[in-house]
Amino acid sequence: DSGVTQTPKHLITATGQRVTLRCSPRSGDLSVYWYQQSLDQGLQFLIQYYNGEERAKGNILERFSAQQFPDLHSELNLSSLELGDSALYFCASSASGQGFQETQYFGPGTRLLVL
Amino acid sequence: EDQVTQSPEALRLQEGESSSLNCSYTVSGLRGLFWYRQDPGKGPEFLFTLYSAGEEKEKERLKATLTKKESFLHITAPKPEDSATYLCAVWGSGGSNYKLTFGKGTLLTVNP
Repeated sequence: DSGVTQTPKHLITATGQRVTLRCSPRSGDLSVYWYQQSLDQGLQFLIQYYNGEERAKGNILERFSAQQFPDLHSELNLSSLELGDSALYFCASSASGQGFQETQYFGPGTRLLVL
Repeated sequence: EDQVTQSPEALRLQEGESSSLNCSYTVSGLRGLFWYRQDPGKGPEFLFTLYSAGEEKEKERLKATLTKKESFLHITAPKPEDSATYLCAVWGSGGSNYKLTFGKGTLLTVNP
């Protein structure tokens, strides 16, 4: 158990809809990272937040947005969903804002299925 | 564009049969190369970070090495519990300051 929690574990929705994925980092960690893992694209880094502020952006679509709240939990919002958005979404956390040179601890993921 | 190619895609070993996984990469300004282990239905688990050619790191039966074009993950006398998908990723400095590119992974199965 990494200490990172994600809810929900599974989510089934329809095209065009909007969903929110939630992540709670390990106790004391200030950075949260979001990743998407699909069969064809593999694992892709989406975005990083550090202590409430956006720190780095990867391959995040404009239809997707994220934020980190004062209690350090984070939410990933996915809107105008398409079939191709079906994937596993992982959240990871690390101690500070040093980015990829820090050890990241991954949560169990949210499996999203868009029908 | 940064690229990471892992080979083989799948590898079956007998318990105790040592082998290596390969990660070939092209990147603008390598800032770090990472190895992760991922069990089915779970998030990746960090194994190693390598920063420069010639660097080596070890953890139990695993040893990671880095050259200017590739990295190897050597598995010595593997056990069935080493069965997992092993992911390689590179952190490059070209373009976006935080460009992290993953390979598709090698699925390792160790039979008892």
